[in-house]
Amino acid sequence: NAGVTQTPKFQVLKTGQSMTLQCAQDMNHNSMYWYRQDPGMGLRLIYYSASEGTTDKGEVPNGYNVSRLNKREFSLRLESAAPSQTSVYFCASSENRNTEAFFGQGTRLTVV
Amino acid sequence: LAKTTQPISMDSYEGQEVNITCSHNNIATNDYITWYQQFPSQGPRFIIQGYKTKVTNEVASLFIPADRKSSTLSLPRVSLSDTAVYYCLVGERRGSTLGRLYFGRGTQLTVWP
Repeated sequence: NAGVTQTPKFQVLKTGQSMTLQCAQDMNHNSMYWYRQDPGMGLRLIYYSASEGTTDKGEVPNGYNVSRLNKREFSLRLESAAPSQTSVYFCASSENRNTEAFFGQGTRLTVV
Repeated sequence: LAKTTQPISMDSYEGQEVNITCSHNNIATNDYITWYQQFPSQGPRFIIQGYKTKVTNEVASLFIPADRKSSTLSLPRVSLSDTAVYYCLVGERRGSTLGRLYFGRGTQLTVWP
């Protein structure tokens, strides 16, 4: 039982490049989340998916797109990376909003 | 939107009890209060969750007054390994759609020897 798995763990991009952050959970959870964490800012919600086939914007969705491919997988895409997107990205999942959320180990992204 | 307010930082010494209070004035009737802990370079992990009164587990206690507009996380006899960021969350409901989880900035707890 791996929980929430994120790939890659580290990535360096040049400004304007695109990439997709992958997230998969094996707990049969309905809800999945993408957060970014910057120094002194805590965790900010980028996008959220309540169930397979649905997605919704969080606090800071600009510059990102997401896909809930199936119940297990929730990917985050940067179409044209910018230095302001340098951050640590966390994926999480939960049964629903009132239950425990499980987090992945994070992806440290640097855009130069 | 049930946002929360908590202190940015707190300091304590080993062996002391630490109480971190969180304000959530706009909490909805069906919302639960959840606390998470985050160590450096790791994702947050669940500590405790409650709806009203008091909840206790092997790690912490959670005190929620009758009006539910605030809550207090209590860590008994902290050790150096309790140094972490602690987040207070209140679930958001939007119609019949399951809500999002907003973490905010959290409280940096530093435990000194």
